[in-house]
Amino acid sequence: GAVVSQHPSRVICKSGTSVKIECRSLDFQATTMFWYRQFPKQSLMLMATSNEGSKATYEQGVEKDKFLINHASLTLSTLTVTSAHPEDSSFYICSADGLAGGRSSYNEQFFGPGTRLTVL
Amino acid sequence: AQSVTQLGSHVSVSEGALVLLRCNYSSSVPPYLFWYVQYPNQGLQLLLKYTSAATLVKGINGFEAEFKKSETSFHLTKPSAHMSDAAEYFCAVSFGNEKLTFGTGTRLTIIP
Repeated sequence: GAVVSQHPSRVICKSGTSVKIECRSLDFQATTMFWYRQFPKQSLMLMATSNEGSKATYEQGVEKDKFLINHASLTLSTLTVTSAHPEDSSFYICSADGLAGGRSSYNEQFFGPGTRLTVL
Repeated sequence: AQSVTQLGSHVSVSEGALVLLRCNYSSSVPPYLFWYVQYPNQGLQLLLKYTSAATLVKGINGFEAEFKKSETSFHLTKPSAHMSDAAEYFCAVSFGNEKLTFGTGTRLTIIP
């Protein structure tokens, strides 16, 4: 299957700082990527859909000024958590759309390994 | 609106016993259905998928699932549980080009 990477895998930061998380599709071009947030022992919550060359589409209740998404190339999307606070601590997972990237004939998403963010 | 329900947030089975994880969906159109597994502090790995071909789908690690339209179900099974199967399992559904909707997950524990 298609490979998606995330960097960093873990990050610890102080409250008030900004953190950038990268999501890369390694062997296909992903025109659409998704960002999820997962709290301990809970399911994945879609935060936003990242579209190459255009603005991200945020889900209801997600602050777009808090969670900045940039999809400047066909293989890279970044999520920046601005002015992070302890309540932003979570597991962030990205995925790439296989249909949009020509790797699948239907809406299959390929997931990255996730980034554990801890805000002190 | 599409939705998926996983019955049982926790399931425990003995090593070597049958694994059955339940998933039901609601839809007015044919869905695409997926089962993902997540190990601690890792991303999601696709176990298997149903895309309107054969109703009995075989996946990795000995898992399989059967799409039953009459019951709107897509339950995941494995004949004999292994200790390495202990993980969180997510059922997900999508329709056409719509985004994935995940169930709440089922934590599978294997008893030695």
